Amino acid sequence: KQEVTQIPAALSVPEGENLVLNCSFTDSAIYNLQWFRQDPGKGLTSLLLIQSSQREQTSGRLNASLDKSSGRSTLYIAASQPGDSATYLCAVLFGNEKLTFGTGTRLTIIP
Amino acid sequence: EPEVTQTPSHQVTQMGQEVILRCVPISNHLYFYWYRQILGQKVEFLVSFYNNEISEKSEIFDDQFSVERPDGSNFTLKIRSTKLEDSAMYFCATKGGRGVETQYFGPGTRLLVL
Repeated sequence: KQEVTQIPAALSVPEGENLVLNCSFTDSAIYNLQWFRQDPGKGLTSLLLIQSSQREQTSGRLNASLDKSSGRSTLYIAASQPGDSATYLCAVLFGNEKLTFGTGTRLTIIP
Repeated sequence: EPEVTQTPSHQVTQMGQEVILRCVPISNHLYFYWYRQILGQKVEFLVSFYNNEISEKSEIFDDQFSVERPDGSNFTLKIRSTKLEDSAMYFCATKGGRGVETQYFGPGTRLLVL
């Protein structure tokens, strides 16, 4: 069964620190991987998409990496800010049309 | 920037009633999806829709659910006879074309079945 796992479920870090969120998936035959942000009670905002042929993608303070052989992706956030507090979701396209989501990591940046 | 919109934002209904959730995709997008998220749980795929027909559906998407694009713009999800366990946030997503493009999500409709 194709599954996506995110650990830890929650993370708190002081403002200004760099941090890494982790995502692992069970099947290396992925099509692409997307990182989303979800604020409480709100929709999903796409942050970065990494195609299966890519190793990383960058957008501003965010950098996402992909290692298909080990079934892992990381989202690196530099110089964290209180506004970065949200739940971050990893979602994988396993070669079909549907995204399979992880349970997310709830990030709190402490001012 | 173009965005996916959904109406209503919140809906409360009685068990057994029919509900229709509406989505307006990004213009020129061809692929449409519904996902749901029960409170505290993962976002789950329900159905994908392309060229006016369902291309894939999950085990959740049983005979109580249907989708259509009645007027070429709105994309709707109908639940014929709601159950308590249908209470969730329902997200519409759209994608421009086949391949590796991003799925863009709407803000969601929070459905509460009493």
